[in-house]
Amino acid sequence: AQKVTQAQTEISVVEKEDVTLDCVYETRDTTYYLFWYKQPPSGELVFLIRRNSFDEQNEISGRYSWNFQKSTSSFNFTITASQVVDSAVYFCALSEAPQGGSEKLVFGKGTKLTVNP
Amino acid sequence: DTGVSQDPRHKITKRGQNVTFRCDPISEHNRLYWYRQTLGQGPEFLTYFQNEAQLEKSRLLSDRFSAERPKGSFSTLEIQRTEQGDSAMYLCASSIAGGNVYEQYFGPGTRLTVT
Repeated sequence: AQKVTQAQTEISVVEKEDVTLDCVYETRDTTYYLFWYKQPPSGELVFLIRRNSFDEQNEISGRYSWNFQKSTSSFNFTITASQVVDSAVYFCALSEAPQGGSEKLVFGKGTKLTVNP
Repeated sequence: DTGVSQDPRHKITKRGQNVTFRCDPISEHNRLYWYRQTLGQGPEFLTYFQNEAQLEKSRLLSDRFSAERPKGSFSTLEIQRTEQGDSAMYLCASSIAGGNVYEQYFGPGTRLTVT
């Protein structure tokens, strides 16, 4: 069964601090996809990144970076030099790739990040 | 590309009433998903369409819930005889189909309050 665990319920930082959001997943499949979404106070989920299980390269996009480690089943997300606009709930999600089936996302419970000025 | 849209954005109804929500996916996306999100939780999968075919339903989708996508474009989600436990945000998402699993783009959601 698929499961995503985001152990950090809430994190509060001061602007310009770096912050890492943890994500640990469980799956029996060898082919799967991992995602991060941002849900600002307005409520709409915003896609941030997709990573497949065969690509363990870390990725950097501006102030955002992601560290994927299959050995520890983790896909952590780091925001460098955080800004007030980064305040949101961040969700990690997992999708298996069943043949002929849906690619539904299984979400963690989210981490609420508050960046204080 | 106007993104995924949902209507209405908010719905307040009395217990026992029927409600219907609409989702318009991104135009070239042939996959459409419904999720439900309650306070403090991540979204939970409800059902999935590829074109007009409903291919998967979650056990969360009781027989009071029905979803359609009649022409493979917009979709509706109906809840009959609403209960207070149905109060939640109902999210629609769409994606393209292909050999890989692609990201899903979400609409703004419909917040349902059952009184």
